Amino acid sequence: SQTIHQWPATLVQPVGSPLSLECTVEGTSNPNLYWYRQAAGRGLQLLFYSVGIGQISSEVPQNLSASRPQDRQFILSSKKLLLSDSGFYLCAWSGGVGQPQHFGDGTRLSIL
Amino acid sequence: EDQVTQSPEALRLQEGESSSLNCSYTVSGLRGLFWYRQDPGKGPEFLFTLYSAGEEKEKERLKATLTKKESFLHITAPKPEDSATYLCAVQTYRDNYGQNFVFGPGTRLSVLP
Repeated sequence: SQTIHQWPATLVQPVGSPLSLECTVEGTSNPNLYWYRQAAGRGLQLLFYSVGIGQISSEVPQNLSASRPQDRQFILSSKKLLLSDSGFYLCAWSGGVGQPQHFGDGTRLSIL
Repeated sequence: EDQVTQSPEALRLQEGESSSLNCSYTVSGLRGLFWYRQDPGKGPEFLFTLYSAGEEKEKERLKATLTKKESFLHITAPKPEDSATYLCAVQTYRDNYGQNFVFGPGTRLSVLP
């Protein structure tokens, strides 16, 4: 069966520091991969998606970037964090068009 | 613009008191509608996919139905462990990669013992 791992679960970072969140998927090949941010009491905001290695599409201009160095690895990064980057970050994968997205357990990011 | 709304925003039920959650959508062409359950501090957990009007799916105390404009998640004789936020999402035919999964804001369900 397929599983998705996301780490760390929680992270506290100072303003201006770099960020690297990692997500890996097991049990499937060539998944579509997604990064979302969920603000408290709000819906999910799609940040990036990838349909293959090295292919990244950005949905929202921002301080963040994403990379897909391997088929089942998706990384969310920032060179300098802003206070507004605080939130709950979720990674997800899907098997293709019309298929549901499956989520990891998320990373709670707090910026001080 | 594709839109998804959910009602009510929050719902409190007594254990065993059945009810329904609503997901209304306005899209150009529905490829699929998805229901998720999200517990506090966790990622959404996939429950159901519905593809066409009239379709129904069931899992334990949950039953999802779909019409041309809305979907209902019926909860029969709920238990406290059914307490969670329930999200629905739609994918349209303009979306080739699932990049435009439009999520609703969710319904926060509390089931009291």
